[in-house]
Amino acid sequence: RKEVEQDPGPFNVPEGATVAFNCTYSNSASQSFFWYRQDCRKEPKLLMSVYSSGNEDGRFTAQLNRASQYISLLIRDSKLSDSATYLCVVTEGSNYQLIWGAGTKLIIKP
Amino acid sequence: DGGITQSPKYLFRKEGQNVTLSCEQNLNHDAMYWYRQDPGQGLRLIYYSQIVNDFQKGDIAEGYSVSREKKESFPLTVTSAQKNPTAFYLCASSRAGTNTEAFFGQGTRLTVV
Repeated sequence: RKEVEQDPGPFNVPEGATVAFNCTYSNSASQSFFWYRQDCRKEPKLLMSVYSSGNEDGRFTAQLNRASQYISLLIRDSKLSDSATYLCVVTEGSNYQLIWGAGTKLIIKP
Repeated sequence: DGGITQSPKYLFRKEGQNVTLSCEQNLNHDAMYWYRQDPGQGLRLIYYSQIVNDFQKGDIAEGYSVSREKKESFPLTVTSAQKNPTAFYLCASSRAGTNTEAFFGQGTRLTVV
């Protein structure tokens, strides 16, 4: 079983729709959680951290469910520019080792 | 501005040659990482370093070597022993021992010709 799992997609979504991604992790002792965005042939960039209480940044909402060991990302009113691959990452261990999911590809269609 | 810089952006290598990819950061981060990414795939960890003069193998270290002589620098050598080196290589850094995120360089795209 992979440590961090994501649906690879692609998710094909019309512009303006709401889309949600989930990411499950296997280590219940994981400490922190992030969503990154990666555009084609570019480096990943931090989209948002995920806090236990959930957090929102504009059209983006991230939530953490420790009991079920998953994090989610919700994108409302999707834009063409939201097309990218979304990576989730968790940290674990005394060294806060980064464990990456393989990413979910999102394609927003006009 | 603080950041992490990789060079070159594109690199072509003949089979049988060793090449070294540069990664420099001025973020004062202790931890540095090298990842490999193949088309349509996720990030795979090659090597990481939590402190100067120390580094550990990741999941796919065979055919690669690193050094960490300075805090700011973490070069990666792709040796001739790496059978399929064509890939996108990403260097990242973070503050060790904390819950902070990783910052990435722009990547080096290596092609074997």
